[in-house]
This record gives sequence, C-alpha cells and structure tokens, in this order.
Amino acid sequence: DIVMTQSPLSLPVTPGEPASISCRSSHSLLRSDGHNYLTWYLQRPGQSPQLLIYLGSNRASGVPDRFSGGGSGTDFTLTITRVEAEDVGVYHCMQGLQTPYTFGQGTKLQIK
Amino acid sequence: QVQLVQSGTEVRKPGASVKVSCKASGYTFASYALHWVRQAPGQRLEWMGWINAGNDDAHYSQKFQGRISITKDTSASTAYMELRSLRSEDTAVYYCATAYRLLLDYWGQGTLVTVSS
Repeated sequence: DIVMTQSPLSLPVTPGEPASISCRSSHSLLRSDGHNYLTWYLQRPGQSPQLLIYLGSNRASGVPDRFSGGGSGTDFTLTITRVEAEDVGVYHCMQGLQTPYTFGQGTKLQIK
Repeated sequence: QVQLVQSGTEVRKPGASVKVSCKASGYTFASYALHWVRQAPGQRLEWMGWINAGNDDAHYSQKFQGRISITKDTSASTAYMELRSLRSEDTAVYYCATAYRLLLDYWGQGTLVTVSS
C-alpha cells in the first residue's frame, strides 16, 4: 500500500497569515497521463470531509482562490495564502493512484 | 444537487454485524461508483471499498476481505455496507462518498458505529 505522510500534524496560524501543509507519498503519484493523483480535503469540526484540490493542483468548484495545491511525484503542498477563521479544521491528503486509496494522518489547523 | 444521506448511529456487541445505508439523490445513481471510508477515533481516514452502481461489481480493501459486503438497490438509489465479525477496533464513523465527477467528491454525513460489550 502507498503510505501518505503529512506534516505538520498541528498548525496554529494567525488570521491573515499564510499556512502550508506538506504531504509525501511512498510511491510516485504521477501517472503516465501526466496527472498527479493527489487530493486534498478539509474536514471542519463535526463535518464530513469536503473536496478542496484534485489532481494535485486543481481547485474544486466553490473553493476560494486563497487555497492552492502544488508538487509532483512524491512531494505535495497545500498552501493557504491568508488564513481565515472558517479554514479551521483537519486537512487530509489522499492518493487516488491505486487501491487501496490511502490518506495522510491529517493536519489540524487552528487559529492562534 | 448531489446528496448522500446515511442511516443513523448503531451500537453492536463484538462478533455481531452492522449494515449501514447510503441514499443518493441529485444524480443518476446507476452511473457512478460509490465508495466507503471510515474514520476511527484518533486515526486517519481509511478506504474500505467501492461498488460500481451500474452493476453488482464490488471491490474491497484487502484489510476487510471476507468481512465486508457492499451492495446496492438501484430502485431505491441506495448503497449498503455490511461489516461482519465486529471487534472494538471497528468503532468508527463510516462514510459513503461518490465518484460523481471526481474521486470521492461528495460525502455522506457519516454513521457512527460503536462496538462494545
């Protein structure tokens, strides 16, 4: 199975400041079609995960442009340019290259 | 709009089985896959398996092989996940999620299953 490793696991951020989360995979997620099969989710407190970024760098519909995804192969980053209070929650990365699809441990973003 | 509504909280004793339902609306149920993911307390999300809602083809994570069945009732736009021989480690919130336009793009609200003697 592909192992996904996120860091940091806890991320206190001052509103208006940037934030960055790293996600590394044990196997390259770049497929021959040129896409990286890496997805980011945000799970707000008490809610289900919601899709933020797909194929490594594409924002899902309705996701604010302060969220961006980057990276390729085995190293990926989710960046929030200016954190807002509504961004609080746990961020998960997931590899969709092969089953079993696997997730990172989750990164808990909190407001300072 | 796409919506997945799951059945309510369940409590089971070790060794028992549980069957969680997931009713879909807002799209053509038979045209898209339906996945199941669980989240145990303090653990990462864990993918369990999926079903091709257009036929009866289901695929499972090796971890759950022999204990899990994912089925569907197309006429009711509903998918089911049954987990057998429950143990305390199966205590978790169980989610269904579609692969509507993208993999795992819409999620149900989750169903808490508690396994306790």
